[in-house]
Amino acid sequence: NAGVTQTPKFQVLKTGQSMTLQCAQDMNHEYMSWYRQDPGMGLRLIHYSVGAGITDQGEVPNGYNVSRSTTEDFPLRLLSAAPSQTSVYFCASKTGHETQYFGPGTRLLVL
Amino acid sequence: AQTVTQSQPEMSVQEAETVTLSCTYDTSESDYYLFWYKQPPSRQMILVIRQEAYKQQNATENRFSVNFQKAAKSFSLKISDSQLGDAAMYFCAYRSGRFTDKLIFGTGTRLQVFP
Repeated sequence: NAGVTQTPKFQVLKTGQSMTLQCAQDMNHEYMSWYRQDPGMGLRLIHYSVGAGITDQGEVPNGYNVSRSTTEDFPLRLLSAAPSQTSVYFCASKTGHETQYFGPGTRLLVL
Repeated sequence: AQTVTQSQPEMSVQEAETVTLSCTYDTSESDYYLFWYKQPPSRQMILVIRQEAYKQQNATENRFSVNFQKAAKSFSLKISDSQLGDAAMYFCAYRSGRFTDKLIFGTGTRLQVFP
């Protein structure tokens, strides 16, 4: 199993550009989520999904869009990037009451 | 709303010694999970230990153990026989016992290990 994979590892964007952060898992987990990590802070939940076709907002959803068309994939879209979205983004997945597995993270810099 | 507080931004320990990292949380729920995650410079989030609130026994994983005080809402991590590879950021996290994906993290404690 590859576990949770994220691409790209690092990305530089200009303000106003759009991009999609990819997340995939091969463990057949029903739960998937996106977190962001800013300096001096723990991870904060952006969006999550409890299964294909079902998504919901977390603590800091503004400026981000998600969809879940398959069990395996959960992409995060930035429609118009802003410097405040400079962060490290983590995708995670789990099943039932089990523990979350985290991806390696994507470092995003918005200029 | 639930909150998690880590009041020690930095801690240090000598190799082979023992160190305890503190975590307190606030919740009105009775069913929940608590976690300690380790984040080395690679940024990978690595699960260290997990505690179910309904279990009175403190969780242990090799050199890592917790002191779970449910009434005091305290969840500290003890690292015994510290090793250089233990140097990292450590995050305490809370998750409701309901079927949910939402983890609430503390701000982290940076642990330095000196030879």
